[in-house]
Amino acid sequence: QKEVEQNSGPLSVPEGAIASLNCTYSDRGSQSFFWYRQYSGKSPELIMSIYSNGDKEDGRFTAQLNKASQYVSLLIRDSQPSDSATYLCAVGVYNFNKFYFGSGTKLNVKP
Amino acid sequence: DTGVSQDPRHKITKRGQNVTFRCDPISEHNRLYWYRQTLGQGPEFLTYFQNEAQLEKSRLLSDRFSAERPKGSFSTLEIQRTEQGDSAMYLCASSIRTLRDQDIYGYTFGSGTRLTVV
Repeated sequence: QKEVEQNSGPLSVPEGAIASLNCTYSDRGSQSFFWYRQYSGKSPELIMSIYSNGDKEDGRFTAQLNKASQYVSLLIRDSQPSDSATYLCAVGVYNFNKFYFGSGTKLNVKP
Repeated sequence: DTGVSQDPRHKITKRGQNVTFRCDPISEHNRLYWYRQTLGQGPEFLTYFQNEAQLEKSRLLSDRFSAERPKGSFSTLEIQRTEQGDSAMYLCASSIRTLRDQDIYGYTFGSGTRLTVV
């Protein structure tokens, strides 16, 4: 079983809609959670971090964490074509010095 | 702060040749990581340094791979006797000093080195 699971997509949404990206993880000791955006051929770029249950908002992005369900999500409001990318979920386990990444969900925002 | 720098950006090599990649982390970061990413997959952990000490090495890493970080500054990743299966994007990342800060701020990735073994 992979540590971090994501639906590979592609997820297609129209411009202006809300995109919802989901991630589940297997290790209950996980403490920190990140969403990275990766454009084709480029390296991952950190867009959100969360480590407490609940919601965290930053501009058009909202990260949601539910540790009991081992589930983390990313909502993108007012989606723009420039949001079209692969979104990687990363999970850190306390006192372990590395993050585990999911395979990513490809998002297409159609004009 | 110029971010994490990786060199070269692209490398094409013949099977069996040795290659070496370089990573310069953000200056105040003392943790440095190497990851490998193949098409359609997320980054996979290879190895990790805190200052000059290599503290963890993935079981994915065969004996053909070696990494160093002399003096706790830049790092090099060498692959000996390259194989076609080594073709991938090699990503370097660095992170800020404390585990707590890393939990909050995550990694900063470099632009990566894309290796193609022909």
